[in-house]
Amino acid sequence: RKEVEQDPGPFNVPEGATVAFNCTYSNSASQSFFWYRQDCRKEPKLLMSVYSSGNEDGRFTAQLNRASQYISLLIRDSKLSDSATYLCVVMSTNAGKSTFGDGTTLTVKP
Amino acid sequence: DVKVTQSSRYLVKRTGEKVFLECVQDMDHENMFWYRQDPGLGLRLIYFSYDVKMKEKGDIPEGYSVSREKKERFSLILESASTNQTSMYLCASSLFQGAFRPEAFFGQGTRLTVV
Repeated sequence: RKEVEQDPGPFNVPEGATVAFNCTYSNSASQSFFWYRQDCRKEPKLLMSVYSSGNEDGRFTAQLNRASQYISLLIRDSKLSDSATYLCVVMSTNAGKSTFGDGTTLTVKP
Repeated sequence: DVKVTQSSRYLVKRTGEKVFLECVQDMDHENMFWYRQDPGLGLRLIYFSYDVKMKEKGDIPEGYSVSREKKERFSLILESASTNQTSMYLCASSLFQGAFRPEAFFGQGTRLTVV
């Protein structure tokens, strides 16, 4: 079993739709969680951190469920420009140990 | 803006060649990382470094070595390139923030093809 698993893509949604991605992790010692966005043939870029209380940044909401060991990313009112691959990243207490999920590809269509 | 620069966007090398991938960051970050990214396998950590002349193995260090002689530069070396090292290589850097260090900044990637 992979340490970090993401919903298999691709997700194809119309503009304006709400879409959610989940990411599960197996290491209960994991402490920090992040979502990255990666455009086609580009480098990953930090989208947002994920806090226990949940956090929101505009149309994006990230949630953490420690009991069930998963994090989620919700995108409301999808835009064409949201089309990308979204990577879940989990960091453990091992210094510098970050594990990336394989990514979920989102395509937003007109 | 933090800038992480990788020396090449695309490289084609022959099997058995020694290959150097260079990465430079301009924000005085302590931490630097090398990943490779392959379809279906995500990003996998090859090596990382917390300080000059310091290096730690990641998840897949076999066939690779690294060098960090200066704080801003982290080099990945393929001692004898093989076709299974054909991949996208990504360098990243981040500030030291206690035990948890999000690799917030990546270079643009080097797509290496070994023939």
